[in-house]
Amino acid sequence: AQKVTQAQTEISVVEKEDVTLDCVYETRDTTYYLFWYKQPPSGELVFLIRRNSFDEQNEISGRYSWNFQKSTSSFNFTITASQVVDSAVYFCALSEAPGGYQKVTFGTGTKLQVIP
Amino acid sequence: KAGVTQTPRYLIKTRGQQVTLSCSPISGHRSVSWYQQTPGQGLQFLFEYFSETQRNKGNFPGRFSGRQFSNSRSEMNVSTLELGDSALYLCASSLEQAARTDTQYFGPGTRLTVL
Repeated sequence: AQKVTQAQTEISVVEKEDVTLDCVYETRDTTYYLFWYKQPPSGELVFLIRRNSFDEQNEISGRYSWNFQKSTSSFNFTITASQVVDSAVYFCALSEAPGGYQKVTFGTGTKLQVIP
Repeated sequence: KAGVTQTPRYLIKTRGQQVTLSCSPISGHRSVSWYQQTPGQGLQFLFEYFSETQRNKGNFPGRFSGRQFSNSRSEMNVSTLELGDSALYLCASSLEQAARTDTQYFGPGTRLTVL
């Protein structure tokens, strides 16, 4: 069965600090996708990144970077020089297609508070 | 391009009533999925529709149902509401039900409160 674990429930950092959000996943499938979403207080889940299981290259997008390591089944997300606008709940998700139909499992989320 | 829209944004109902929530996907998106988000259970998958057919279903009782129209718009219905149904209901759309390559884009959600 697929599972996504975000062990950090809440994190508080002071503005401009770097912060890493952890995500560990379990899957039996060899082909899968991993996602990160941001949920600000307004409630809408905002897509941040998608990574397929065959691409272990790290990715950087501005102040955001992602580290995918299949050996440890982790897909961690780092925010560099955090800002107050980064305050939100961040979800890691795993997508598989057992039987051909997409199944998406979300982690429980990490609430990030950036203090000015 | 307009994003996923959900109506209404807020609803207050009483136990035993039924409710219908609506979701309009991004133009051109054919797959619509519904999720329930609660503080205790997190984000849980309800069901997915593609070409007016339910293709996938989560572990929810039969009180939860949905449908999709020919224009890809979707509705979900909850009958005989219970207090535990209070939640944020999120709709997500994706281009096709091509499973592994799709990214789901979410709407702002409908916050349902059952009194």
